[in-house]
Amino acid sequence: EAQVTQNPRYLITVTGKKLTVTCSQNMNHEYMSWYRQDPGLGLRQIYYSMNVEVTDKGDVPEGYKVSRKEKRNFPLILESPSPNQTSLYFCASRPDREEGYTFGSGTRLTVV
Amino acid sequence: KNEVEQSPQNLTAQEGEFITINCSYSVGISALHWLQQHPGGGIVSLFMLSSGKKKHGRLIATINIQEKHSSLHITASHPRDSAVYICAVTNTGNQFYFGTGTSLTVIP
Repeated sequence: EAQVTQNPRYLITVTGKKLTVTCSQNMNHEYMSWYRQDPGLGLRQIYYSMNVEVTDKGDVPEGYKVSRKEKRNFPLILESPSPNQTSLYFCASRPDREEGYTFGSGTRLTVV
Repeated sequence: KNEVEQSPQNLTAQEGEFITINCSYSVGISALHWLQQHPGGGIVSLFMLSSGKKKHGRLIATINIQEKHSSLHITASHPRDSAVYICAVTNTGNQFYFGTGTSLTVIP
């Protein structure tokens, strides 16, 4: 089944403890991206990647890192999480400019 | 800064009604997207368009590039259409800007 898989679905962590949210797609898509969704603010783009080893900042990149060492994986790294990074995170991918996006199921992160 | 504005924010309709959700944007775009988010949180891409009109079943999306405006129409609405509908645009640099969504409730 063609899909974008995020892990974990739920995560509670403490301030300052490094964490990684994984994102993997099995559709050979070139473009991948990360978003966070907050009440009243909607969805905002964190980082995106046009292809392997190519990443760019979105609207709210502060406090996050990404890497794209291989086409299928695009992990989101929080080196020192803070409570203001408590949010619902989505990963998405698409093949090229002419196609729509496939979203992962989301990761609900709570930083205490 | 609100690159994408949607209206209405909330919408309640009776089953069978024709529904329109509007989206205006202020940036140059390469594409406009309509997304659907169900109460469980999952997001589904409904349409991606850069001109004209697209139709999938009871859903129709239109875009007017000159006016920087798009509409999502739902014909013969059904309770299972109840969801949040999100308009988003991508600029030529592949940055993504989202509207805050329209919460639709269709009453049987």
